[in-house]
Amino acid sequence: DIQMTQSPSTLSASVGDRVTITCRASQSISTWLAWYRQKPGKVPQALIYKASNLESEVPSRFSGSGSGTEFTLTISSLQPDDFATYYCQQYNSYPLTFGGGTRVEIK
Amino acid sequence: QVQLVESGGGVVQPGRSLRLTCAASGFTFGDYAMQWVRQTPGKGLEWVTVISFEGRDKYYADSVRGRFTISRDNSKDTLYLQMNSLRHEDTAIYYCAKWAETAARSHVDYWGQGTLVTVSS
Repeated sequence: DIQMTQSPSTLSASVGDRVTITCRASQSISTWLAWYRQKPGKVPQALIYKASNLESEVPSRFSGSGSGTEFTLTISSLQPDDFATYYCQQYNSYPLTFGGGTRVEIK
Repeated sequence: QVQLVESGGGVVQPGRSLRLTCAASGFTFGDYAMQWVRQTPGKGLEWVTVISFEGRDKYYADSVRGRFTISRDNSKDTLYLQMNSLRHEDTAIYYCAKWAETAARSHVDYWGQGTLVTVSS
């Protein structure tokens, strides 16, 4: 099984900050990676697919990069709506696996 | 608009069975693979199982293989999850989720609101 490791597990930041979250795969997944945001009490929402493609209607402050085993999600200017938990997920091979999540909290 | 509505959750004793249902609308259900993802309250996401658009191919997480069965009825736009031999560690919110693309690999673009399954004696 492919293990997905996210770092950090918790991140404290302020509105307007540039934030970067990292996701590492235990083996190459090419660019078969998605990022999701889950606000408290809500269902996950897709932000990025195929490592760097912005999902429809997602603000352009979100961007993704990487390939192989190392990936990043960047929020260029953190907004109040972005205080949430972020998950990466590989869909290169079964079983599909999620990272453990990164909680972005208010500093 | 796309809607996925799960039902069938509840409290069940260890070792018993439960069947979850996901009613889909707002898209051509039979064109897309569908999956179940679960989340223990306050914890992370765990992928459970996926079924191909026509129902032929199914894959499972190791933690549920042999106990859970995914199925679909494209004539009724409905997805199912039969859960047998339930364990305490199966306690979670179960989300029905739609693949974004009609391809061999895809991320999820829509999620249901989830149904809570509690396994407790």
